[in-house]
Amino acid sequence: NAGVTQTPKFRILKIGQSMTLQCAQDMNHNYMYWYRQDPGMGLKLIYYSVGAGITDKGEVPNGYNVSRSTTEDFPLRLELAAPSQTSVYFCASSYRDRGRVNHYGYTFGSGTRLTVV
Amino acid sequence: AQTVTQSQPEMSVQEAETVTLSCTYDTSESDYYLFWYKQPPSRQMILVIRQEAYKQQNATENRFSVNFQKAAKSFSLKISDSQLGDAAMYFCAYREGSSNTGKLIFGQGTTLQVKP
Repeated sequence: NAGVTQTPKFRILKIGQSMTLQCAQDMNHNYMYWYRQDPGMGLKLIYYSVGAGITDKGEVPNGYNVSRSTTEDFPLRLELAAPSQTSVYFCASSYRDRGRVNHYGYTFGSGTRLTVV
Repeated sequence: AQTVTQSQPEMSVQEAETVTLSCTYDTSESDYYLFWYKQPPSRQMILVIRQEAYKQQNATENRFSVNFQKAAKSFSLKISDSQLGDAAMYFCAYREGSSNTGKLIFGQGTTLQVKP
């Protein structure tokens, strides 16, 4: 059982380049999330998805895009990379029954360290 | 908007001693969840302990316990018999109970050093 898998683990981008951070989970979780962690800070939510085909903005969505075509995958796209996007990116997933409030099995990936130079 | 504040950027403790990490939060909700996460140098986010706001009893997980003061909006983590492996950054996090998003709101983190 792999849990939440993120690739790549490290990446260096030049200003203006684009890339996609991959995230996959094998737990059949309906909720998925992207967070970023700046040095010495806590995690902030970029985007989240409550199920395949449904995504919504979090606290810091500017400069990013996401898609959720399947339950398993939730890629994060960076267009026109900027130094301000230098950060560690975490993908996470959880499961919530419809009509219930609790989330189960909140699981984080191991993160992608991205440097924009 | 909800906020989470950790006022101790760094803490240190002698091995086998006890340390308490502080966390305060601000919310107008009555139903919510609070968490402590551990982040070692490997970057992995590890859930240490969780507390449901509707439960008056403080959560405990082995050497880890919390002091949940709902009226004061305080949620501190006590680590007993500290071990070298406890050295890490610790994050306090909040989630609305009625939230459809599952979004976690994190504090800034506290780096814990354990001295042998």
